[in-house]
Amino acid sequence: GNSVTQMEGPVTLSEEAFLTINCTYTATGYPSLFWYVQYPGEGLQLLLKATKADDKGSNKGFEATYRKETTSFHLEKGSVQVSDSAVYFCALRVETSGSRLTFGEGTQLTVNP
Amino acid sequence: NAGVTQTPKFRVLKTGQSMTLLCAQDMNHEYMYWYRQDPGMGLRLIHYSVGEGTTAKGEVPDGYNVSRLKKQNFLLGLESAAPSQTSVYFCASSSDRGRLSGYTFGSGTRLTVV
Repeated sequence: GNSVTQMEGPVTLSEEAFLTINCTYTATGYPSLFWYVQYPGEGLQLLLKATKADDKGSNKGFEATYRKETTSFHLEKGSVQVSDSAVYFCALRVETSGSRLTFGEGTQLTVNP
Repeated sequence: NAGVTQTPKFRVLKTGQSMTLLCAQDMNHEYMYWYRQDPGMGLRLIHYSVGEGTTAKGEVPDGYNVSRLKKQNFLLGLESAAPSQTSVYFCASSSDRGRLSGYTFGSGTRLTVV
């Protein structure tokens, strides 16, 4: 089946620190990969995506590269801000999954000034 | 452009009461979903719909019913609420079944059953 594993949180960083949130997956078929962000009290918003191997998704200073050989899609940011404090979800979607996204459990990030 | 709108935003129910959560999208999306989010458990799919008049069960459908009478609306019903249904409920929609598209989420309904 399809599954997504994220690094356990919570993650606490100081402002301007480097961020990595690990995400690995298993999939039947060729997946597209996504990162969603959930700010406190809000719904999930699409942060970035990659649809084929070696693609790099990027948005708001965040990046993730689709690594088929390691089945990974790690989220990185070079310098985090307090406003990046949120829960981050990795997800995948394949044609054979009945059109459904499969989510990881989410990683809580807190950035302190 | 409103996207996905959920009503109500908050609700407190007594055990055994019933209620309906409404999800409306104005993007002409075919696919709609209901998730619940609980601490430490991520997002779990309750029910989904692949088009007007169709519904299907997700991972945790027990205790819930859904209807999709109009393409833009997806209703989630609780016939007899239980404390285990205390959760944050999210609706989402998607334009197609292809793997290239993500979902658009609503802002959630926080439900407490006492």
